[in-house]
Amino acid sequence: KQEVTQIPAALSVPEGENLVLNCSFTDSAIYNLQWFRQDPGKGLTSLLLIQSSQREQTSGRLNASLDKSSGRSTLYIAASQPGDSATYLCAVRGNNDMRFGAGTRLTVKP
Amino acid sequence: GAVVSQHPSRVICKSGTSVKIECRSLDFQATTMFWYRQFPKQSLMLMATSNEGSKATYEQGVEKDKFLINHASLTLSTLTVTSAHPEDSSFYICSARLTNEKLFFGSGTQLSVL
Repeated sequence: KQEVTQIPAALSVPEGENLVLNCSFTDSAIYNLQWFRQDPGKGLTSLLLIQSSQREQTSGRLNASLDKSSGRSTLYIAASQPGDSATYLCAVRGNNDMRFGAGTRLTVKP
Repeated sequence: GAVVSQHPSRVICKSGTSVKIECRSLDFQATTMFWYRQFPKQSLMLMATSNEGSKATYEQGVEKDKFLINHASLTLSTLTVTSAHPEDSSFYICSARLTNEKLFFGSGTQLSVL
């Protein structure tokens, strides 16, 4: 059974800093990996989707990498802003299921 | 941690039939549940937000008459794909909100319509 772990559980940084969120998974036989953000009281917003054949995806200030062999993905956020404050989740899609990490709660202080 | 059970995990059906997917919060009461779907090679997208005892709120482009959502109790929400067609073949997943900030997810349902 796939297990997904996110480290750290919480992170607080001053505005403007670059930061990295980590996601690890135990089974490298994945279909894709996604990063989401979740704002309080709301559902998920998809940030980046990386197919199993890809190594990274970029969108604006966000860059996500995927290393299947080591079972790791990172989400890099450049020049963080207070509006980036949210919980970030990674999700690993297998053949028949999707497993989510517990999330990293990010706070960006003005 | 809290557990969300989603059934079935995989279903294959003929075109024109209806398929029901269940999402249960096993050890907590969920006033709000979310339904998502993911088409091949695309991101997971929110379909609808389901609040117990009231009508679901559908995202733009999601047909409410085709995707019937029932959230009749605090522990159960169902998604029924009515008169399914091959283009409805997708991966469907639910999540349940425990508090204002924490979501728990089912493991998903792969629907294949022949």
